[in-house]
Amino acid sequence: QKEVEQNSGPLSVPEGAIASLNCTYSDRGSQSFFWYRQYSGKSPELIMFIYSNGDKEDGRFTAQLNKASQYVSLLIRDSQPSDSATYLCAVIDSGGSNYKLTFGKGTLLTVNP
Amino acid sequence: EAQVTQNPRYLITVTGKKLTVTCSQNMNHEYMSWYRQDPGLGLRQIYYSMNVEVTDKGDVPEGYKVSRKEKRNFPLILESPSPNQTSLYFCASSQGKKQYFGPGTRLTVT
Repeated sequence: QKEVEQNSGPLSVPEGAIASLNCTYSDRGSQSFFWYRQYSGKSPELIMFIYSNGDKEDGRFTAQLNKASQYVSLLIRDSQPSDSATYLCAVIDSGGSNYKLTFGKGTLLTVNP
Repeated sequence: EAQVTQNPRYLITVTGKKLTVTCSQNMNHEYMSWYRQDPGLGLRQIYYSMNVEVTDKGDVPEGYKVSRKEKRNFPLILESPSPNQTSLYFCASSQGKKQYFGPGTRLTVT
């Protein structure tokens, strides 16, 4: 069973700080990596995706991928209370459907005013 | 507005009473998928469809059926619901690797 692991948290940071969320995956052949944000009772919302090693920045969000170490991370700069949510890491693995996502269980982030 | 819609949003039913949860997308996406989300277990894929008349099992297909007769619709059918199918269900669609989720259907089976 291919796995995606995340620390369940909660991760608590003060407003304005950098929040760092981490994810590891078991399938070394995985090619595509996604971060979704899910507010309580709502549907997952795609916020970042990364396919290549290195960093990808989009506004306050930076995704980092290290395929050799099989981890992907999400940094949220200048964290705001509105960033408080569960963050889901998802991976498209190397086998089966090209679009099949395997999700981690999510990390709950709380940003304190 | 580009979106994935699901109906009903909330449903309480009894064991054994057949039900269908509808899913529709207006983005002309080829790929559609159903997930269930349970506390402590995360999102797990039930079934997916690569295109019309092409469906396949995901990780937890037992007790569910799907059909894809039209590109925009992908209903989830529970022929004989049981209490262990009480969950939050999400439909998703994508063209390419980015998936977009519907608002969710909270199902309770008593």
